[in-house]
Amino acid sequence: DAGVIQSPRHEVTEMGQEVTLRCKPISGHDYLFWYRQTMMRGLELLIYFNNNVPIDDSGMPEDRFSAKMPNASFSTLKIQPSEPRDSAVYFCASSLTREQYFGPGTRLTVT
Amino acid sequence: EDKVVQSPLSLVVHEGDTVTLNCSYEVTNFRSLLWYKQEKKAPTFLFMLTSSGIEKKSGRLSSILDKKELFSILNITATQTGDSAVYLCAVSSGGGADGLTFGKGTHLIIQP
Repeated sequence: DAGVIQSPRHEVTEMGQEVTLRCKPISGHDYLFWYRQTMMRGLELLIYFNNNVPIDDSGMPEDRFSAKMPNASFSTLKIQPSEPRDSAVYFCASSLTREQYFGPGTRLTVT
Repeated sequence: EDKVVQSPLSLVVHEGDTVTLNCSYEVTNFRSLLWYKQEKKAPTFLFMLTSSGIEKKSGRLSSILDKKELFSILNITATQTGDSAVYLCAVSSGGGADGLTFGKGTHLIIQP
């Protein structure tokens, strides 16, 4: 199995631009999670889906963030407009049970 | 709000030493505690603990959970330079495979 796939691996953008991060979970996993990691705050859960349905989005910092999961093999996290404080590593993870498997992450830099 | 606190935040030891990493938590509806190892990439799963007093072991790593005192420890014996990493503790609360609440991690450095 290829594991969780994320793209792009690195993204540099200017403040105000729209950013879209992509994730392909492990086949057969019915849970998908988006996390953000910064030095100051560590790893934080943003949102998670079960069977493509958003279950808990209480970690989404504000309305500039949105996430979708149109099918079992694809999810996006969008930031519009982006701000410098959004700079972080964004991880996608998937699971079948409580053991979550993480993707390699997208390192986002907003200048 | 669920809370996970790890200590120490960083630790430097010599190869061959034994280390103990600590994790305490305050969560509603505790389900399980998980340990992850993070090198310069994604966290990788080490252990999941759900019951008190039952030690989980994998090679030189072991972990145990105390649900009464609300903490867990991760032990690494005969440390090697490849053990250098950030060790993350996370708790799962609520039903199903819900989102994890992570601690800030312990940055472990093994010197040769």
